[in-house]
Amino acid sequence: QKEVEQNSGPLSVPEGAIASLNCTYSDRGSQSFFWYRQYSGKSPELIMSIYSNGDKEDGRFTAQLNKASQYVSLLIRDSQPSDSATYLCAVRRAAGNKLTFGGGTRVLVKP
Amino acid sequence: KAGVTQTPRYLIKTRGQQVTLSCSPISGHRSVSWYQQTPGQGLQFLFEYFSETQRNKGNFPGRFSGRQFSNSRSEMNVSTLELGDSALYLCASSSAGGENIQYFGAGTRLSVL
Repeated sequence: QKEVEQNSGPLSVPEGAIASLNCTYSDRGSQSFFWYRQYSGKSPELIMSIYSNGDKEDGRFTAQLNKASQYVSLLIRDSQPSDSATYLCAVRRAAGNKLTFGGGTRVLVKP
Repeated sequence: KAGVTQTPRYLIKTRGQQVTLSCSPISGHRSVSWYQQTPGQGLQFLFEYFSETQRNKGNFPGRFSGRQFSNSRSEMNVSTLELGDSALYLCASSSAGGENIQYFGAGTRLSVL
């Protein structure tokens, strides 16, 4: 079992719809959770960070964390073609700076 | 504020050679982490340096090494290159305080022939 699991996709959504991405992790010592977006041929850029159970909203993005279920998700509202990318879920333990990444979910937003 | 700078952007080497990659972190950031990204294994943590000391290490062979200088710049070295070392090598810097967010450089794409 991989430490951080994501559906590889592609997740195809029409423009204007909501894209829902899921991520599960196995290490109960994980304390910090991140969503990065990576365009093809580019490096990852941070979309959201979340540290406590519940929802966190930032513009069109909402991250949801449930530590009991070891589950973190990302919602993208009003999806745009420019949101087409691979979304990487990453987790970090309390100590240290090591990020453990999932394999990423490829999202395709069709006009 | 300048971002994380990695040099060179592209490298072509042959098996058995060694390579050194460089990373200049965001000004004021003292932590530098290195990752390897391949299509098969995804993004994997190599190691982290903080204040010139290796603080964390991933599951990579000893051929992969790094160091950090007093100005927080970091280098990564891979000796005796293998075909499987072909990858995108990413450097990320963080302040090591507050939310401790890691910001990535553009990466160095290494091809081993």
